[in-house]
Amino acid sequence: GAGVSQSPSNKVTEKGKDVELRCDPISGHTALYWYRQSLGQGLEFLIYFQGNSAPDKSGLPSDRFSAERTGGSVSTLTIQRTQQEDSAVYLCASSLDGQGARNEQFFGPGTRLTVL
Amino acid sequence: DQQVKQNSPSLSVQEGRISILNCDYTNSMFDYFLWYKKYPAEGPTFLISISSIKDKNEDGRFTVFLNKSAKHLSLHIVPSQPGDSAVYFCAAKDSGGSNYKLTFGKGTLLTVNP
Repeated sequence: GAGVSQSPSNKVTEKGKDVELRCDPISGHTALYWYRQSLGQGLEFLIYFQGNSAPDKSGLPSDRFSAERTGGSVSTLTIQRTQQEDSAVYLCASSLDGQGARNEQFFGPGTRLTVL
Repeated sequence: DQQVKQNSPSLSVQEGRISILNCDYTNSMFDYFLWYKKYPAEGPTFLISISSIKDKNEDGRFTVFLNKSAKHLSLHIVPSQPGDSAVYFCAAKDSGGSNYKLTFGKGTLLTVNP
């Protein structure tokens, strides 16, 4: 009876290393979103996947950030050559369908990334 | 450029009293507004929403008011309970091509004292 799950819950890494964050959406949800919450800030949209359509990557802050969604289910957000300003909580959400203003997004617990 | 603003980082109220959380927006294309509640170490959970064609939506103890001309919305919680203590985020969407994208405010930490 699962909600959105994310792993790891916490990640501490050294500056310059690559990290991978994983998201398992709710089964049957075709839309998947990644957001980032930096300290003292609201949630910032990063990327959106909808079915087999090309993702909306407009929120990715730099080309060090990339994301994949394999088989229309699990998604991985990869940050290459991490910087200290990448430290944040990375939240994944899914919804039944991305289109339509009323689609409720269900959020996972997030991954807290700390770059030393 | 903050399109959704929650100008009060925190609010403290007494149990049983009314909590009023405020939110302002600048993007006139926004036409659907949501409130999310977030406990520590958990993801935000949807609380209540309102379409721009309405000025009020009520769900139990929670009521959201929308003033389109002022680009302002507020969440009222009556009566407030200690379990309501959480961070509340205001979020907005537009009906354009990116209607899946939520724009969030920075959140207001509500503390309800017993």
